[in-house]
Amino acid sequence: GAVVSQHPSRVICKSGTSVKIECRSLDFQATTMFWYRQFPKQSLMLMATSNEGSKATYEQGVEKDKFLINHASLTLSTLTVTSAHPEDSSFYICSAMGGASNQPQHFGDGTRLSIL
Amino acid sequence: GESVGLHLPTLSVQEGDNSIINCAYSNSASDYFIWYKQESGKGPQFIIDIRSNMDKRQGQRVTVLLNKTVKHLSLQIAATQPGDSAVYFCAENAGGTSYGKLTFGQGTILTVHP
Repeated sequence: GAVVSQHPSRVICKSGTSVKIECRSLDFQATTMFWYRQFPKQSLMLMATSNEGSKATYEQGVEKDKFLINHASLTLSTLTVTSAHPEDSSFYICSAMGGASNQPQHFGDGTRLSIL
Repeated sequence: GESVGLHLPTLSVQEGDNSIINCAYSNSASDYFIWYKQESGKGPQFIIDIRSNMDKRQGQRVTVLLNKTVKHLSLQIAATQPGDSAVYFCAENAGGTSYGKLTFGQGTILTVHP
């Protein structure tokens, strides 16, 4: 089945640090990738939609300058949390899908970000 | 905005029983629905999907039922096993200009007792 790899799985860093998270589709070309945020015991909240070769589309309330997304190839999207603060601590999850309509998204295993 | 919700936040069953997890959705434009299973510390894992032109779809030990009249979705797990313990999310896609975008329900915690 489709495999999505997310790296790193866990990050602990000081406040003010910028953190980059990578999302790779390993066995298919992902024309679209999505980035989600999940707080403990809550559901996934979509942050942004990333299309290869174009600017990401952010959901309402998500700061574009805070969460930088790059989707430079059909197998890689990155999320950079700039100048992270403790309130940015969360579980960040990416998903990827190919070009066919109404196909399930395949998710990475998430990145646990802890800002001290 | 419209959202997907769940009736039961927790469900406890005995091993071997059948489990039913429910989901209510409110966006009548949604035409594609997915059930995901999420284990602790991991990303959601695809279980089964269904399109709006169907009302039932079966997989291995799982069945998804869609009732568009009352905007209700359910996941049935047969002969539930301890390994099925996880959080289950339904998700909907409205299609059209929101191609691919999923709205997730709040989740149901399924606990299977041996």
